Amino acid sequence: DQQVKQNSPSLSVQEGRISILNCDYTNSMFDYFLWYKKYPAEGPTFLISISSIKDKNEDGRFTVFLNKSAKHLSLHIVPSQPGDSAVYFCAAIITGTASKLTFGTGTRLQVTL
Amino acid sequence: DVKVTQSSRYLVKRTGEKVFLECVQDMDHENMFWYRQDPGLGLRLIYFSYDVKMKEKGDIPEGYSVSREKKERFSLILESASTNQTSMYLCASRYPSGRFSYNEQFFGPGTRLTVL
Repeated sequence: DQQVKQNSPSLSVQEGRISILNCDYTNSMFDYFLWYKKYPAEGPTFLISISSIKDKNEDGRFTVFLNKSAKHLSLHIVPSQPGDSAVYFCAAIITGTASKLTFGTGTRLQVTL
Repeated sequence: DVKVTQSSRYLVKRTGEKVFLECVQDMDHENMFWYRQDPGLGLRLIYFSYDVKMKEKGDIPEGYSVSREKKERFSLILESASTNQTSMYLCASRYPSGRFSYNEQFFGPGTRLTVL
């Protein structure tokens, strides 16, 4: 049972335009959400997160939006740059000492010149 | 600077061999995790440990075991490697998660394991 879903396996965006990556979840107990970025042959690196008490969090070119009623979050990258080309994973957690992240299947973003 | 290291970047083993993957973190984190990443399947949790000598099964523990004798080290063991265990293995660590903090996991660079 896939509790966190990224329905688009890939996305291609022109440099300078907006990239929008989507993520849906089914478990309403999730109260914290994260986005990770992964380059080939490297471990994922943390990008941005959002608590369920917020609906938006911004960090430079990256903004995450959370719609709790729709159980949907999205990552916006503006403007997109070639170095943003990577696989992006969303993850969700029910916070607590021994809790674990549940990851989506990832979206491969390619930013073209 | 936060650091999670894994013993090998690339490993080739034969079917039936016993395989040890080592992970070390220098951040004094209590929680440690082992994942495998496969195309189209994302990151799947194999085992995690929330403290020394503690271990919990993740979503796909079959064919694997783990050891956590020291806080900084978490080992993944493939008792008898099989070809379907060919994958990218990722280790991560974290402070115990909290309502507004400590949910971020720090990942190692990964070990690409091929079982022939």
